[in-house]
Amino acid sequence: AQKITQTQPGMFVQEKEAVTLDCTYDTSDPSYGLFWYKQPSSGEMIFLIYQGSYDQQNATEGRYSLNFQKARKSANLVISASQLGDSAMYFCAMREGPVLTGGGNKLTFGTGTQLKVEL
Amino acid sequence: NAGVMQNPRHLVRRRGQEARLRCSPMKGHSHVYWYRQLPEEGLKFMVYLQKENIIDESGMPKERFSAEFPKEGPSILRIQQVVRGDSAAYFCASSPAAAGWTDTQYFGPGTRLTVL
Repeated sequence: AQKITQTQPGMFVQEKEAVTLDCTYDTSDPSYGLFWYKQPSSGEMIFLIYQGSYDQQNATEGRYSLNFQKARKSANLVISASQLGDSAMYFCAMREGPVLTGGGNKLTFGTGTQLKVEL
Repeated sequence: NAGVMQNPRHLVRRRGQEARLRCSPMKGHSHVYWYRQLPEEGLKFMVYLQKENIIDESGMPKERFSAEFPKEGPSILRIQQVVRGDSAAYFCASSPAAAGWTDTQYFGPGTRLTVL
């Protein structure tokens, strides 16, 4: 089974509108972290936002917020007031497992959602 | 504070040659990760290193690929006898500690390897 699933290969949104990018995950570990990264056409990977499995509140960072629904195993990224510069590929990623097991540091990525912001 | 540095940014090799990719982590970071991104795909974990130690190489191909993170100097990902299928973007990330799943990995700009 896929550990991270992003079902929207492409999304369009109008400038100044809000957009939600979907991400579902699969893990049996109670301790995990969820991350969103942005990859513009220039290719670099930019960290956007993090949510821990034990966090009680949804994470927010400026115009980015994470809609974390633990029972549904979803961690959707919400971008408010979209800007042209938000056009990019967005990746959801998960880091699972306690560090002591030695294997809990790698990130598992989804296949990404290409977001295009239009005027 | 300088970010994660990778060089070269672009590397072209002919089949059978060796490729060496370098990564300097962010200042104060002692953990380095390498990921590979094939065209039109997400990133796939390759290897996790600390200074002078390979911690997890479960994503590294068994042959031709090796990685090191010496006591002094950058981390190196080495690909021997490259083949066309090695063409990809190789990203390095670093984090300050491995104490928990809250540590964010910060990525470098990547090295785009093209094998002719």
